[in-house]
Amino acid sequence: GAVVSQHPSWVICKSGTSVKIECRSLDFQATTMFWYRQFPKQSLMLMATSNEGSKATYEQGVEKDKFLINHASLTLSTLTVTSAHPEDSSFYICSARDGRLAGGTDTQYFGPGTRLTVL
Amino acid sequence: GEDVEQSLFLSVREGDSSVINCTYTDSSSTYLYWYKQEPGAGLQLLTYIFSNMDMKQDQRLTVLLNKKDKHLSLRIADTQTGDSAIYFCAESINNQGGKLIFGQGTELSVKP
Repeated sequence: GAVVSQHPSWVICKSGTSVKIECRSLDFQATTMFWYRQFPKQSLMLMATSNEGSKATYEQGVEKDKFLINHASLTLSTLTVTSAHPEDSSFYICSARDGRLAGGTDTQYFGPGTRLTVL
Repeated sequence: GEDVEQSLFLSVREGDSSVINCTYTDSSSTYLYWYKQEPGAGLQLLTYIFSNMDMKQDQRLTVLLNKKDKHLSLRIADTQTGDSAIYFCAESINNQGGKLIFGQGTELSVKP
């Protein structure tokens, strides 16, 4: 159980285009999804937290107009990188948790990640 | 502020035990986690411990928590080459909506 998928697994795009990344919880309902960015050999940097049906909360320094997050259902969140530039090239990872679990932990289940390369 | 620290590298021989250490600063942590990341992949949850526990064992994995010193460790018994990966510890902070604070990750190298 607790499987999270991401699509696509990798994408190459031209500078100035927009790219959408999907994150799905396959066997549970995710009340909260998180989007992270990871540079090579570094830890995960939290970009934003999204709760189903409400606006995402962005971490300090993350441009909300550049990284659009939509969490329209309990199983799907999308991250759109708008007007992508080479410096946006990175590994983007999503995670999901079901905050309604009785006595539950804050356990986040992670997707496999999406490698974005902007030329 | 919240901060989680780990040593960056650990090298062991196959069959030995590995001990990966982590320190954290926030005393209001509720749960502490260990995740494993293989190259080019997402994070796999290995185990977690509630902050009022001292120890948790799960097959080859043993987690020790010293809350007084804010020190967490992960011991892997009989380490195998397939255990080579980056290991992240993370803490969840009370009333932060499930937000996790990650350490930098420890790269475990297992030599045959």
